[in-house]
Amino acid sequence: GENVEQHPSTLSVQEGDSAVIKCTYSDSASNYFPWYKQELGKRPQLIIDIRSNVGEKKDQRIAVTLNKTAKHFSLHITETQPEDSAVYFCAASILTGGGNKLTFGTGTQLKVEL
Amino acid sequence: GAVVSQHPSWVICKSGTSVKIECRSLDFQATTMFWYRQFPKQSLMLMATSNEGSKATYEQGVEKDKFLINHASLTLSTLTVTSAHPEDSSFYICSAPRTVNTGELFFGEGSRLTVL
Repeated sequence: GENVEQHPSTLSVQEGDSAVIKCTYSDSASNYFPWYKQELGKRPQLIIDIRSNVGEKKDQRIAVTLNKTAKHFSLHITETQPEDSAVYFCAASILTGGGNKLTFGTGTQLKVEL
Repeated sequence: GAVVSQHPSWVICKSGTSVKIECRSLDFQATTMFWYRQFPKQSLMLMATSNEGSKATYEQGVEKDKFLINHASLTLSTLTVTSAHPEDSSFYICSAPRTVNTGELFFGEGSRLTVL
């Protein structure tokens, strides 16, 4: 089955700096890679996703890059703000007619300090 | 976005009792729903895939007789933790895709189970 590794497990940045979180996956058939933000005790919220037919996607301060050959993808957050502090999870799946079975990474605790 | 609602949001029960958690898709029909479990400061681990009108598919290592899943309608899936023990205490979250191939999963609020 799919295995997703995520680094770092914790990340502390100063407000206004950039944050980068990296993930690798094992199954070359995976074609969908979302990133979720989870605040303490709450549900995960999708912040950005990318499919295997593109190498980069950007949405305001958030961007994701994908290297299919190397089987890794990264989340980039620029101009970080205190409200960006949360746990971020990457995930990978194969989109099929049977649904979307996500395998999550281990999570990154991001802390944005004033 | 699509709304997935989960109930109860938290429950405390005695060891040996059973607890039922409901997951509803409020504004769309979901032929498939996914149940995840999350221990403190850990990732979301897929437990099973709930399929409307048929048996659930369980991940390796998840006991199907302990975690009963019923997906009786296109908007409701239930997870019953039978004969709960303290080690079953966890955050249980359901999710559903709005459409089969869009990719995005919508998560319920989660249910925090504490077994005494």
